[in-house]
Amino acid sequence: EPEVTQTPSHQVTQMGQEVILRCVPISNHLYFYWYRQILGQKVEFLVSFYNNEISEKSEIFDDQFSVERPDGSNFTLKIRSTKLEDSAMYFCASSARDGSYEQYFGPGTRLTVT
Amino acid sequence: AQSVTQPDIHITVSEGASLELRCNYSYGATPYLFWYVQSPGQGLQLLLKYFSGDTLVQGIKGFEAEFKRSQSSFNLRKPSVHWSDAAEYFCAVGAGRSDMRFGAGTRLTVKP
Repeated sequence: EPEVTQTPSHQVTQMGQEVILRCVPISNHLYFYWYRQILGQKVEFLVSFYNNEISEKSEIFDDQFSVERPDGSNFTLKIRSTKLEDSAMYFCASSARDGSYEQYFGPGTRLTVT
Repeated sequence: AQSVTQPDIHITVSEGASLELRCNYSYGATPYLFWYVQSPGQGLQLLLKYFSGDTLVQGIKGFEAEFKRSQSSFNLRKPSVHWSDAAEYFCAVGAGRSDMRFGAGTRLTVKP
């Protein structure tokens, strides 16, 4: 069964450093998403991406964040200058159609900012 | 804006007992509703979803949920809980737009 994959599974970085989280969505999916989950809290929507551009973003997704689909398979989330409060689990998801349909989630990348 | 409320932060049930996890949503139109399960350190696994049609939906692992428009609810049920069901359960609403909104989650503990 096709699945969303994410690398790395755990990333430790120092405050102020740039990080790139990588995701490989399911191959025939068209919509891509990033969510985050701060430890012990709810899963929060960050951004959705379709047709090589951001379609929606939340208030969390400020200028420190960017997304890119550099090739036909990868979908990345970049945090330009990490802060302590960026420590969280980051989930990538993809769907075959608009969010009204099922989103398939990856296993997540745990980001720890020290 | 759509929102999801899961009133129970933590529920404990005995193995073999029945389970109901509550979920209430707020949205102007008929939403698309989902239940996900998250085991410790793991990602989110879809249990079941409701888009339209029959308001009682069956999912994986013996779970079912019932959409009640009049109560704006989408409660998750299982007739007999297994120890392996211990996990965090998230209700979510997708509105036909790009994002999905999650509830705060309900942590399920199963007593032997």
